[in-house]
Amino acid sequence: QITLKESGPTLVKPTQTLTLTCTFSGFSLSTGGVGVGWIRQPPGKTLEWVAIIYWDDDRRYSPSLKSRLTITKDTSKNQVVLTMTYMDPVDTATYYCAQIQFFDWSFHWWGQGTLVTVSS
Amino acid sequence: QSALTQPPSASGSPGQSVTISCTGTSSDIGGYNHVSWYQQHPGKAPKLMIYGVSKRPSGVPDRFSGSKSGNTASLTVSGLQAEDEADYYCGSYAGSNNNYVFGTGTKVAVL
Repeated sequence: QITLKESGPTLVKPTQTLTLTCTFSGFSLSTGGVGVGWIRQPPGKTLEWVAIIYWDDDRRYSPSLKSRLTITKDTSKNQVVLTMTYMDPVDTATYYCAQIQFFDWSFHWWGQGTLVTVSS
Repeated sequence: QSALTQPPSASGSPGQSVTISCTGTSSDIGGYNHVSWYQQHPGKAPKLMIYGVSKRPSGVPDRFSGSKSGNTASLTVSGLQAEDEADYYCGSYAGSNNNYVFGTGTKVAVL
């Protein structure tokens, strides 16, 4: 059974750095073709892809957010960490992590999501 | 990196069929067979319903089907049931620069 769970702060101040951790089970990030991605969804709005890291450490970032993002993995801990700098109120959203398959570019399994609010 | 275009809403009576379109460009939907569809109930995480244009993950009813023609993908839900009432999002690989793009979302109502 594959599960993913996001953790991190629920409230950050403008200009601060956000650090989110995705802890997963039921698969390994050392398996070929497997990746973990981050997707966010502002309240009442559509989904927005943020970043992906693959088994071979290939990292992909949303062009509009690239300068502010870093994604890393710890295979031994089954964790993926996303950092986003210079947080702004427009970054308020539910952040999801999800398992992605490189060969079909689809997010097969999703975490429950964590709401991050950016406010002073 | 523009979102794929979906109609804001769609509806049907129980037992009927509803089809949702997802329009992109030759750089995303038209260029690759990596179109997915996700179902999201209020307050819940999205769930993968279709991948690879028309493939269904294990456990997804065969009432859900996907197709693609040119730059437009479609999701059809046949034999509508009350539990199908949800938001639906398409997604597509968009090449090595943009990588991935989601649709604007469609709210499906079962009348």
